[in-house]
Formats: sequence, structure tokens, C-alpha cells
Amino acid sequence: DIQMTQSPSSLSASVGDKVTITCRASQSINRFLNWYQQKPGKAPKLLIHAASTLQSGVPSRFSGSGSGTDFTLSISSLQPEDFATYYCQQSYSMRTFGQGTKLQIK
Amino acid sequence: QVQLVESGGGLVKPGGSLRLSCAASGFTFSDHYMSWIRQAPGKGLEWVSLISSSGSTIDYADSVKGRLTISRDNAKKLLYLQMSSLRAEDTAVYYCAREGIQGAGRALDAFDIWGLGTMVTVSS
Repeated sequence: DIQMTQSPSSLSASVGDKVTITCRASQSINRFLNWYQQKPGKAPKLLIHAASTLQSGVPSRFSGSGSGTDFTLSISSLQPEDFATYYCQQSYSMRTFGQGTKLQIK
Repeated sequence: QVQLVESGGGLVKPGGSLRLSCAASGFTFSDHYMSWIRQAPGKGLEWVSLISSSGSTIDYADSVKGRLTISRDNAKKLLYLQMSSLRAEDTAVYYCAREGIQGAGRALDAFDIWGLGTMVTVSS
């Protein structure tokens, strides 16, 4: 089974900062990598699919990159509504989520 | 509007059974792969099971193989998760989620629509 490892597990930042979250797959997954945002008590929301394609309606301050085993999610200028938990997920073989990265206000 | 609504959660004793349902509306259910994903209290997301649009392909996470069974009724636009031999570690919010479709019918390979979830508690 493919394992997904995110880093860091938690991150403190301020409004306006740029942040980057990393996701590593235990084997190559080509570009079958998606990113989700989840706020407390809510269902996750798809942000990016196929490693770098922004889902419709998602602000352009979100971006994704990578292929093979190493991927990143970047948020260029943090807004108050961006403080949430972020998950990567592979769809190359079965489905697996990373353990999540909690983005908190500094 | 495009919507998924889960039902059937509740309190069940260890070793017991439960059937979850997910009602789809606002889209052509039979075109989409569907999954169940769960989240234990205070924990991350765990993919549980997937079923193809026709029901011919099914996958399970190792943690639930042999105990949970996914199925679908395309005519009724319903997704199911039959849960048996339940354990305390199955306690979680269970979400159903749709895998989207891009232009020209290409699979999105990502969960673009989620339900609100239904809570399953396994406790004596």
C-alpha cells in the first residue's frame, strides 16, 4: 500500500505570510495527488487535483506542484479563512490520505 | 443542487452491525466512482472503500477488509456501507464522497463532493 507523509504536522503563521506544506509518497504516484482543506466540524473541500490543477472556485493564492514522490502545497498570502487543516491524498493505487497539517494563527 | 446525504449512524456495541446509506441528488450518480472515508474523533482522514460507477470494481483499506462491505443502487441513487464485527477503533464520522469527472468524461481522480457525514460510535 502507498503511504503518504506530510510535513510539518503543524505550522504557525501570520496573515499575509507565504506557507508551504510538503507531501511525500512511499512510491511514485506520477501526478495522482490531490489537496484538501478541512475546517473544524466541516467536510473536507477539494483545493487542487492532479498535483497542480486548481479546483474551480478556489482562490489563486493556492498552488500545488510536484510529481513522482514529492509534492508541495503553497499559499502565497495567508488570509484569515485559510487557517485550517490540510490533507494530501493519492489516487494512483487505491486511495490514501496524509496525516494532515494543521495551520494555526501565530 | 449537487448533494450527498449520509444516514444510518448511531451507537452500536462491539461485534455489532450497522448499515450506512448515502443519498445522492443533483447529478448523474451512475457516472461516478464513490468512496467512504472516515475520521475518528480528533484524528485525520482515512479512506475506507471505493466502488466504481457500475459496481464492478471495489477496493477496501486493509483495516476494514472482511468486515465492511460497500455497494450501490444506481436506480435509487444510493451508496451503502454494511458494517459488521465492529470494533471500538471503527468509531468515527463516516463521509461519502464523489470522485468527479472532467471534460470529455475523464475521471477527476479526486473527491470533489462530500456529504456532511454520519457518526458511528462503537462502545459497550
